[in-house]
Amino acid sequence: EVQLVESGGGLVQPGRSLRLSCAASGFTFDDYAMHWVRQAPGKGLEWVSGISFNGGRTAYVDSVKGRFTISRDNAKNSLYLQMDSLSAEDTALYYCAKVGPRGGIEDCFDFWGPGTLVTVSS
Amino acid sequence: AIQLTQSPSSLSASVGDRVTITCRASQGISSALAWYQQIPGKAPKLLIYDASILESGVPSRFSGSGSGTDFTLSISSLQPEDFATYYCQQFNSSPFTFGPGTKVDIK
Repeated sequence: EVQLVESGGGLVQPGRSLRLSCAASGFTFDDYAMHWVRQAPGKGLEWVSGISFNGGRTAYVDSVKGRFTISRDNAKNSLYLQMDSLSAEDTALYYCAKVGPRGGIEDCFDFWGPGTLVTVSS
Repeated sequence: AIQLTQSPSSLSASVGDRVTITCRASQGISSALAWYQQIPGKAPKLLIYDASILESGVPSRFSGSGSGTDFTLSISSLQPEDFATYYCQQFNSSPFTFGPGTKVDIK
């Protein structure tokens, strides 16, 4: 059974940093690209970042470019999101998601974790 | 960036109704479109990918169609567990945008 479990969220002051983690199990992690998607309270879904199966290719939404860094450790079956220079606009529930059977970064998201909440406030 | 619009933004329907939601892309995306269902407090769930392929385990009352810029999600006979928010998403090119969502509630 595929499982994705995010962690690392919490309350952080504006301008500070936070690192999210996503522990994956139940599938061959290094066969699949992975993504982060966020959802601000009461709002819709926003794709944040994606990374290819081997970490060789990454992509970001413009609003986080230069501030967020996605990475993965295939030996640990883990996905990460380093978030720097956080602002109130980054307050959201952050989901990690696995891509579908093609495995590439351009694919649908067939499994999602329950999310970890990031609140940016002074 | 490719923008997605959905209509309607919300709708009220009864159990047994047929429901249709549309998604329009600002430029052609071939069939690189997925539909997700989100129940409040839960993570999104994949329903349809490649515009028309039903994800394993999803009831056959859900169907998708379209290609290029215009897409449709249909629910043939709405069930109580289908009251949720539905999102389309394009995965043709980064940024992999989502539509704003369509909330389906009980009439």
